[in-house]
Amino acid sequence: SAVISQKPSRDICQRGTSLTIQCQVDSQVTMMFWYRQQPGQSLTLIATANQGSEATYESGFVIDKFPISRPNLTFSTLTVSNMSPEDSSIYLCSVGGGSGNTIYFGEGSWLTVV
Amino acid sequence: GENVEQHPSTLSVQEGDSAVIKCTYSDSASNYFPWYKQELGKGPQLIIDIRSNVGEKKDQRIAVTLNKTAKHFSLHITETQPEDSAVYFCAAIKNQGAQKLVFGQGTRLTINP
Repeated sequence: SAVISQKPSRDICQRGTSLTIQCQVDSQVTMMFWYRQQPGQSLTLIATANQGSEATYESGFVIDKFPISRPNLTFSTLTVSNMSPEDSSIYLCSVGGGSGNTIYFGEGSWLTVV
Repeated sequence: GENVEQHPSTLSVQEGDSAVIKCTYSDSASNYFPWYKQELGKGPQLIIDIRSNVGEKKDQRIAVTLNKTAKHFSLHITETQPEDSAVYFCAAIKNQGAQKLVFGQGTRLTINP
C-alpha cells in the first residue's frame, strides 16, 4: 500500500485567508484525488489531480476556490481560497485506481475557519 | 451517476456479538466495492474490498458479501471488540473512466463492553 503524507495535519485559519495543503506519496502514482469531509459527514470528491494538466473538478467545486497543482507523480497541493467557516472540514488526499482499483487515503488535513 | 445508500447510520452492539452494515448501489456497471474504517482524528483506512466477480470475501473477523443481482453488499464483523468502534464507510467504483469512488453516508459503530 502507498504511504501518503499530508501537511498540515491541522490548522486554524482566519476568515478570508487561503491555505495550501500538501500531499506527498512514497511512490509514483497515476491517480491522485482530493476529497472533502465536512463535520459528521461522508466523503465528497473535490477533484482529480492530473499530472501535467489541469485538475478535473466535480460538480459544485471550482478552480478559483480550490486550485490544485500536480507537478509530478508523487506530489500534489490543494489550496482552499478565501476561506469562510463553511470551509471547516477535513481535506483528504487519496491515491490509487488503475487496474487494481485499490484506493488509499492520507490522514487528512483538519481545517477550522474562524 | 452512481448513488450508494448505507444503513444503519448508527449501530450499537455488545462486545463479542456480530455487527452487519449494509449498502446498496445504483449503477450496475460498478465492479469494485471497498470498505473503510475511520477512527476519530484519522483518515479512512481500507479494511476489506470485494470485486464483482466474487460473492464473498473474508479476512479474519471481517467479511464482505456481494449480491450483484440485488445491487447490495454488506460488511460483517464477528466477535466484536472495543477497538472495532469507529465510523465505517462503504463505497463503489466503476473500473472505467476517472475511477471515482462514491461513498455511502457512513455507519457509526459502537461496541459496548
